[in-house]
Amino acid sequence: RKEVEQDPGPFNVPEGATVAFNCTYSNSASQSFFWYRQDCRKEPKLLMSVYSSGNEDGRFTAQLNRASQYISLLIRDSKLSDSATYLCVVNIEPGGSYIPTFGRGTSLIVHP
Amino acid sequence: DGGITQSPKYLFRKEGQNVTLSCEQNLNHDAMYWYRQDPGQGLRLIYYSQIVNDFQKGDIAEGYSVSREKKESFPLTVTSAQKNPTAFYLCASTDRGSSYEQYFGPGTRLTVT
Repeated sequence: RKEVEQDPGPFNVPEGATVAFNCTYSNSASQSFFWYRQDCRKEPKLLMSVYSSGNEDGRFTAQLNRASQYISLLIRDSKLSDSATYLCVVNIEPGGSYIPTFGRGTSLIVHP
Repeated sequence: DGGITQSPKYLFRKEGQNVTLSCEQNLNHDAMYWYRQDPGQGLRLIYYSQIVNDFQKGDIAEGYSVSREKKESFPLTVTSAQKNPTAFYLCASTDRGSSYEQYFGPGTRLTVT
């Protein structure tokens, strides 16, 4: 049983395209959600938090659907520099602890 | 600049040897974590520590040990009992009082032959 599932891809898109990734989670007690970006052979870095009301940061939009237990990431006007692996992170917070669970990541390749 | 340092960046060991990976942070974060990443895979939690002198096993703790004697430091020992230790090891910390964003170190690539 995988707690956090992502389509590994790769998603191969041309520059300027719009691309969307989904991430499903199994634990209904999950409380906070994030998208991270990981470049090849580097550490993950926070891309954006995901709020219940949805949030947008430039070309990136993240949304949360608690009823269906998934989060999404939309990238508009893709750039070559967006090529990376996108990891979703779902956290449970039992008794004040903070335990993140990572998806295996979705690979994005943006080509000219 | 505040951040997390891991050393060394690359580490080579012979099978049967224990090896300790360093992780230091100057972000004043209470919580620290160790992950393992294998090619094409996500991050898997090895151990985590919410406060000094306390730590908990993650999903794949067998063959690993940690200590948390100081807030800034959370070293990971890969013991000879770990059956497949070759991997990319990432240390992270979190400020539990604010955004819960995880800050990662640059990682250590361990190769055991």
